[in-house]
Amino acid sequence: SQQGEEDPQALSIQEGENATMNCSYKTSINNLQWYRQNSGRGLVHLILIRSNEREKHSGRLRVTLDTSKKSSSLLITASRAADTASYFCATDAGNDYKLSFGAGTTVTVRA
Amino acid sequence: GAGVSQSPSNKVTEKGKDVELRCDPISGHTALYWYRQRLGQGLEFLIYFQGNSAPDKSGLPSDRFSAERTGESVSTLTIQRTQQEDSAVYLCATGNRGMDTQYFGPGTRLTVL
Repeated sequence: SQQGEEDPQALSIQEGENATMNCSYKTSINNLQWYRQNSGRGLVHLILIRSNEREKHSGRLRVTLDTSKKSSSLLITASRAADTASYFCATDAGNDYKLSFGAGTTVTVRA
Repeated sequence: GAGVSQSPSNKVTEKGKDVELRCDPISGHTALYWYRQRLGQGLEFLIYFQGNSAPDKSGLPSDRFSAERTGESVSTLTIQRTQQEDSAVYLCATGNRGMDTQYFGPGTRLTVL
């Protein structure tokens, strides 16, 4: 069963705007990761945040983690057409290898 | 190689036929995962290999599915007597124990007619 649930399912924004998507999960985690998938193919790792971290930045990406609410958010600032993709959160529930993925948020950036 | 590779990239087969999907890991990666992704959905874990340890097959949906890996080399996922509901993208990922990030291949898109 899926541990993470992304919200919204789909998001359409204008180039230059920010995109925010959320992930909620059910059980305690060691870390939470965000991945991007273009055109339904392989996933690319974006960023990992550990359970003892609250916020992390990587370029135009900002991830927050609230373990009390069992939720995370991914913010993409100053979006570009190339950011059009599906974004997935994945949680590591502590068995040191098995990631549980949500159903993803599909982001469309309009030029 | 530079990344995880999978073959074939696309496979169309008839219901009832067997298919074999291949994954070539990043050299040196001891962990290998297979996932299934149905259209518009997230990834379902299928099976995990770690070095020479017994694989975790807990995600395989039926006994028609099996996977093999010899040591830290190539892995094959076999689906016997394919059904239409097996149509999906099958993704392989590799990594190392203690390394949280998984590196994904481009996937094999399987269509069962």
